[in-house]
Amino acid sequence: DTEVTQTPKHLVMGMTNKKSLKCEQHMGHRAMYWYKQKAKKPPELMFVYSYEKLSINESVPSRFSPECPNSSLLNLHLHALQPEDSALYLCASSQGAGGDGYTFGSGTRLTVV
Amino acid sequence: QKEVEQNSGPLSVPEGAIASLNCTYSDRVSQSFFWYRQYSGKSPELIMSIYSNGDKEDGRFTAQLNKASQYVSLLIRDSQPSDSATYLCAVSKAAGNKLTFGGGTRVLVKP
Repeated sequence: DTEVTQTPKHLVMGMTNKKSLKCEQHMGHRAMYWYKQKAKKPPELMFVYSYEKLSINESVPSRFSPECPNSSLLNLHLHALQPEDSALYLCASSQGAGGDGYTFGSGTRLTVV
Repeated sequence: QKEVEQNSGPLSVPEGAIASLNCTYSDRVSQSFFWYRQYSGKSPELIMSIYSNGDKEDGRFTAQLNKASQYVSLLIRDSQPSDSATYLCAVSKAAGNKLTFGGGTRVLVKP
């Protein structure tokens, strides 16, 4: 299995809703990442988990809350989002410390209304 | 100065020609360099990685790295319409789990 699976593929949520994005990989990768990508912009790093521990938080607002239940799963909990948070949310994983490139999931297209 | 810089394009090339994409980076301690292809509305796909100075070829793709000049490039030979996409240059340091992306170059291959 050489894939990173993200669910859901599309999500529309209101500003008062609570929702979660899910990411799963079965490649034995020990680092997992959340990126946010706005239209016509490059991916921007949000969080890095290394060996199931949060190692990097790129000053992301607290309305985004990551969770790594085990080495294969990564969640992103969403609460009280703003319309400007609408974007493509990408999960990725890597074997080591990022020096070997990432494998990206297909992303979740999030729209906040 | 941005950490990783690319010309945004679009780079328009005729079918069958060579597309040449460039990327510069600012941090001299960068160790690993990648090219990703991203089709509109899709996620990035890793197409090339390079770690040492010189050229690396994989099929129609050649990556070139010059650490002294802090420059990495991607050549696409025999360009096909299916190569039309945005190409993202990405750089990581030896320590720390962080991949930094350039703004991307949009490539249009015209039949």
